[in-house]
Amino acid sequence: GAGVSQTPSNKVTEKGKYVELRCDPISGHTALYWYRQSLGQGPEFLIYFQGTGAADDSGLPNDRFFAVRPEGSVSTLKIQRTERGDSAVYLCASSLAPDQPQHFGDGTRLSIL
Amino acid sequence: QKEVEQNSGPLSVPEGAIASLNCTYSDRGSQSFFWYRQYSGKSPELIMFIYSNGDKEDGRFTAQLNKASQYVSLLIRDSQPSDSATYLCAARALSGGYNKLIFGAGTRLAVHP
Repeated sequence: GAGVSQTPSNKVTEKGKYVELRCDPISGHTALYWYRQSLGQGPEFLIYFQGTGAADDSGLPNDRFFAVRPEGSVSTLKIQRTERGDSAVYLCASSLAPDQPQHFGDGTRLSIL
Repeated sequence: QKEVEQNSGPLSVPEGAIASLNCTYSDRGSQSFFWYRQYSGKSPELIMFIYSNGDKEDGRFTAQLNKASQYVSLLIRDSQPSDSATYLCAARALSGGYNKLIFGAGTRLAVHP
């Protein structure tokens, strides 16, 4: 596939559990972004990677959230000790370069029971 | 707090009419602007971007930017029922590694036959 790929598409888990969300960007895209979208709202920025490094993690809500991109391609968003308020659609986007438009994946719908 | 404001709608237009969607932003450092279309339950899809003052046309879509007034708009000519979706406006500032989109909450467009 040519687009941004996110897995799983849906994740349901219990409060307090650990979750990992995966993003596979468009091939050749150096910049990768994570956003979170709640119902009726626009996406909210979480973190931005340029290559392997997190260039801006100012949107991560607290230290339960962490993201990695060890080889500069696939990224994983990790959430520890999940809370019901973490329920949202988590969107990943990538761009060819930092100044290029961002293209979104289909998202992971996370539900914390 | 950097903000992007949109009228939530719904904006209802008849098929074949021009739909006009508007957006204002608060951060004068914003340099580029994006319109995404989002169908219910789907991810945002990039439809237009604009970096310079004035108009930019692409098929039935025209984006307009006025940096002095901090105002962005999207015109959709010959609206079709398939254009019915939520339209998200986003602003981006690039400086010193800062590279994220700030989204409005979106305007819901309904095109009726």
